[in-house]
Amino acid sequence: AQTVTQSQPEMSVQEAETVTLSCTYDTSESDYYLFWYKQPPSRQMILVIRQEAYKQQNATENRFSVNFQKAAKSFSLKISDSQLGDAAMYFCAYRSANAGGTSYGKLTFGQGTILTVHP
Amino acid sequence: GAGVSQTPSNKVTEKGKYVELRCDPISGHTALYWYRQSLGQGPEFLIYFQGTGAADDSGLPNDRFFAVRPEGSVSTLKIQRTERGDSAVYLCASSPGQGHGNTIYFGEGSWLTVV
Repeated sequence: AQTVTQSQPEMSVQEAETVTLSCTYDTSESDYYLFWYKQPPSRQMILVIRQEAYKQQNATENRFSVNFQKAAKSFSLKISDSQLGDAAMYFCAYRSANAGGTSYGKLTFGQGTILTVHP
Repeated sequence: GAGVSQTPSNKVTEKGKYVELRCDPISGHTALYWYRQSLGQGPEFLIYFQGTGAADDSGLPNDRFFAVRPEGSVSTLKIQRTERGDSAVYLCASSPGQGHGNTIYFGEGSWLTVV
């Protein structure tokens, strides 16, 4: 079974600065997807960024980028020029790409990191 | 609809009662998921539908939990003989199809409190 670990329960950053959220995972599969989701107080999970394991290039979405280290099974999220609206709970998630696997079609989430942005 | 819709938004029920939580996925999405999120934790998978059938129900904690999707659109999560430990946010999500590259879209959840 796959596991996802976020070792930082809480992080804080000053507005306009950069912060990095850590995530590690454990899997025996070679083909999978990794995601970062943001969950504000409204409870809705919002997709921030996704990474395909077969791609070596790190994904980037505007101020959000990842550092994907497949061999180390590490997937960190970097938020540049942090804004007050970035404050939320952030979850790292794993999804199998193996159509024949038992975990196909579902996300496995980490425990989450609460991000506070100070003005 | 524009997004995944879940009702009720909040539900308080007494221990031992029966509860139904409804999910209306994004129009045209064939895949539907239920997750449970306890306070301060990440969501945990419950069940995954592809069309009308449950493709994976390995996350349902026990036989008090059951979910249906009779017409391949709206789904209902049913909890019998509720216990205080069932208190959580129940999140529904949908995606366009079975393809593993499809993004999964979440609703705002139903917050269940069992007293």
